[in-house]
Amino acid sequence: EAGVAQSPRYKIIEKRQSVAFWCNPISGHATLYWYQQILGQGPKLLIQFQNNGVVDDSQLPKDRFSAERLKGVDSTLKIQPAKLEDSAVYLCASSLDSFGGGVSTDTQYFGPGTRLTVL
Amino acid sequence: GENVEQHPSTLSVQEGDSAVIKCTYSDSASNYFPWYKQELGKRPQLIIDIRSNVGEKKDQRIAVTLNKTAKHFSLHITETQPEDSAVYFCAAKGAGSYQLTFGKGTKLSVIP
Repeated sequence: EAGVAQSPRYKIIEKRQSVAFWCNPISGHATLYWYQQILGQGPKLLIQFQNNGVVDDSQLPKDRFSAERLKGVDSTLKIQPAKLEDSAVYLCASSLDSFGGGVSTDTQYFGPGTRLTVL
Repeated sequence: GENVEQHPSTLSVQEGDSAVIKCTYSDSASNYFPWYKQELGKRPQLIIDIRSNVGEKKDQRIAVTLNKTAKHFSLHITETQPEDSAVYFCAAKGAGSYQLTFGKGTKLSVIP
């Protein structure tokens, strides 16, 4: 099966500019996650969608970050305006998350990420 | 919320030796513990996971052990090879939640 797709792979912007990232999850996966991974650290969850609803956005800096998942498939993450400290890799992940049959379906599969550099 | 501590931050082993990475978690209700391998510039890849109803799981050279009482779990890699060199992340998921909390990672270097 095809994996999680993200674009662009790299983006360089100046502070105070805006930027948007796109994610296409694995087909049929109900849950989509956006993570921020700063160099040398583990991924930190920014926002989690189940279908097209937000499950958890408690760690999303809502004054500058926004995300949407229209129609419960693709998602976009936007930063406006960007700050120097936003330089990081933004990872999208998805999981199936349907319960039944004794099969665990909550494994998260990651996309390749978008490396953002804010100058 | 959940807090995951991971040690060591860096680990160097000779090819053929074993490597052990340890993680502790804070939420006693956590029930799912995956391990991800991330090579430089690439996406995290799931290598093994364990659930709270199991104490140990093995997949070829990789094994994970879970001690629920002590709230810690460990990754064991035997007969290490240069291609095992990467950053390894542990994570924990609380009951009733889909959210994973990650450790800070361990950079493993396997010296030929």
